[in-house]
Amino acid sequence: DGGITQSPKYLFRKEGQNVTLSCEQNLNHDAMYWYRQDPGQGLRLIYYSQIVNDFQKGDIAEGYSVSREKKESFPLTVTSAQKNPTAFYLCASSKQGWGGETQYFGPGTRLLVL
Amino acid sequence: DQQVKQNSPSLSVQEGRISILNCDYTNSMFDYFLWYKKYPAEGPTFLISISSIKDKNEDGRFTVFLNKSAKHLSLHIVPSQPGDSAVYFCAASPPGTYKYIFGTGTRLKVLA
Repeated sequence: DGGITQSPKYLFRKEGQNVTLSCEQNLNHDAMYWYRQDPGQGLRLIYYSQIVNDFQKGDIAEGYSVSREKKESFPLTVTSAQKNPTAFYLCASSKQGWGGETQYFGPGTRLLVL
Repeated sequence: DQQVKQNSPSLSVQEGRISILNCDYTNSMFDYFLWYKKYPAEGPTFLISISSIKDKNEDGRFTVFLNKSAKHLSLHIVPSQPGDSAVYFCAASPPGTYKYIFGTGTRLKVLA
């Protein structure tokens, strides 16, 4: 049963703390993405990776970092430099990362600041 | 600068009737469009797509229409069902890129 899993479902961050959101896929997709959704807004791209050990910044990468050491995994770290981290974070994947491919989404992680 | 716009934040439709969700875009070079459905606290689910070389694509109760001259696409759901109540996002892809640019979403409520 292929899909994308994200954990945890809810995550709380204290001031000055880095937190890492997990994203795993078993769809054998090459490309993976991280999006952020804020109330009343569309999804905005944070980072993107088309192959292992390579990734590019999206539209709102400041305050975030990623790694892509394995094809299946694309964790996102929200650093203390991200001043407004409260949002719903969505991970997605697609076969090769080319334009026109369907992106498939995980269930999301809601990050809240204490 | 919102390149993909969904100007109706919400829409209510009676069960069994047609739901029409609209999306406007500004970049005539967009070559691929998708519609996603999203329930609260869940990830978006792919619904239907259309390439810029077509003007219509149909999948069961869902039909997407593309009017390139007007830079407008619409999603028709017929007949609407209570389970269709969700937020619907349209997304557009510039040519030669990996990116999708998402609209702000329209919340559809289907009344039983």
